[in-house]
Amino acid sequence: QSALTQPPSASGSPGQSVTISCTGTKRDVGTYDYVSWYQHHPGKAPKLLIYEVTKRPSGVPDRFSGSKSGNTASLTVSGLQAEDEADYYCGSYAGTYSLGVFGGGTKLTVL
Amino acid sequence: QLQLQESGQGLLKPSETLSLTCSASGGSVSASSFYYVWIRQPPGKGLEWVGRISYSGTTYYSPSLKSRVSMSIDTSKNQFSLKVSSVTAADTAVYYCARHAAVAGYYDYGLDVWGLGTTVTVSS
Repeated sequence: QSALTQPPSASGSPGQSVTISCTGTKRDVGTYDYVSWYQHHPGKAPKLLIYEVTKRPSGVPDRFSGSKSGNTASLTVSGLQAEDEADYYCGSYAGTYSLGVFGGGTKLTVL
Repeated sequence: QLQLQESGQGLLKPSETLSLTCSASGGSVSASSFYYVWIRQPPGKGLEWVGRISYSGTTYYSPSLKSRVSMSIDTSKNQFSLKVSSVTAADTAVYYCARHAAVAGYYDYGLDVWGLGTTVTVSS
């Protein structure tokens, strides 16, 4: 059982928006603004999409956005494209005496 | 642009020691602003931290694995390594090496470079 809770699946049609949630506790997501999101196409290296809740690394399209409210962080993918079909994982800092925590992953299907 | 590639044994028997190496190219593991980490993904499950090492060799391991894990870094070879002793079927997973741009409590720019992962199977 992963420390952060994500829905196992999500879906949307091309052009639509979809939001994936990531629920933690006040020991991690609720206290620290160090939430990151990763996209993983099977057989490829995972890719960093969002760090520090809302920030995008250079080269990541602005269709990907992050937010947080209380103990829950969210990733929104706008203008869904076929290539967005992948697994998405959230991660969070969880204090000085922890490596961090991950979510169990959400499989995004583009219908 | 830093690239990472895992290598090592793919199939082990219970009680053996897993040894993996992560080789870096296009950049250096000597950079002081990063941790170099191992993460694994058991079949059908989510990502799990294994441990991290700094350029200077300071390590931090997952409490659940601490008694069996060791990591090392060789800046001259531009690589870092993982050993897991006394493996069981529960250690079967895809193992990823990655770079973590973070200073605990100050900033966390995420795991910005990952390897492709290597599959490790423990079976008798």
